[in-house]
Amino acid sequence: GDSVTQMEGPVTLSEEAFLTINCTYTATGYPSLFWYVQYPGEGLQLLLKATKADDKGSNKGFEATYRKETTSFHLEKGSVQVSDSAVYFCAAFGNEKLTFGTGTRLTIIP
Amino acid sequence: AAGVIQSPRHLIKEKRETATLKCYPIPRHDTVYWYQQGPGQDPQFLISFYEKMQSDKGSIPDRFSAQQFSDYHSELNMSSLELGDSALYFCASSLVTSSYTDTQYFGPGTRLTVL
Repeated sequence: GDSVTQMEGPVTLSEEAFLTINCTYTATGYPSLFWYVQYPGEGLQLLLKATKADDKGSNKGFEATYRKETTSFHLEKGSVQVSDSAVYFCAAFGNEKLTFGTGTRLTIIP
Repeated sequence: AAGVIQSPRHLIKEKRETATLKCYPIPRHDTVYWYQQGPGQDPQFLISFYEKMQSDKGSIPDRFSAQQFSDYHSELNMSSLELGDSALYFCASSLVTSSYTDTQYFGPGTRLTVL
């Protein structure tokens, strides 16, 4: 089946730093790719998605580009804020299944 | 916009008791998914329903069962609860019969604690 591997955490950054959280996938076809965010004590919120190669998903200053050649969907943000502290999950939807990575805990310090 | 609703938000049960979790999908969504998220873990798929029929099954224990009703809400029934069942249970919904078939929207979850 499909699998998703994402950068192990936890990740701690200072406010206004540049963020990259790596995510790669293994799939037999061409899955749709997602980033979900989970704030403390809350459910999973869809952050952004991309459905085909070279698509770029973006939301709230976060971006990720679907790279078929490297089977990657890295999450980036140019300047993080304390309010971005959360757990971020990369996910792939293929063969009617949504497969999650293990999650990366991000902490932003003022 | 309306989101996925789950109830209760928190539930405390004793070992060997039963629990019922409810999920109300986004209006007009036709598919419901259940996930279990243990502490520090990623969500694990349990089961899904499309148009009130079970469409896929994941790592759901035999002690658990689920169904989707005519109004599209779903219930996850858990019996003979074990300590290891303590987790966050998410419901998600999607509209399969659309171009957004791949996008699942998650509810806030039900935190189940088994003592």
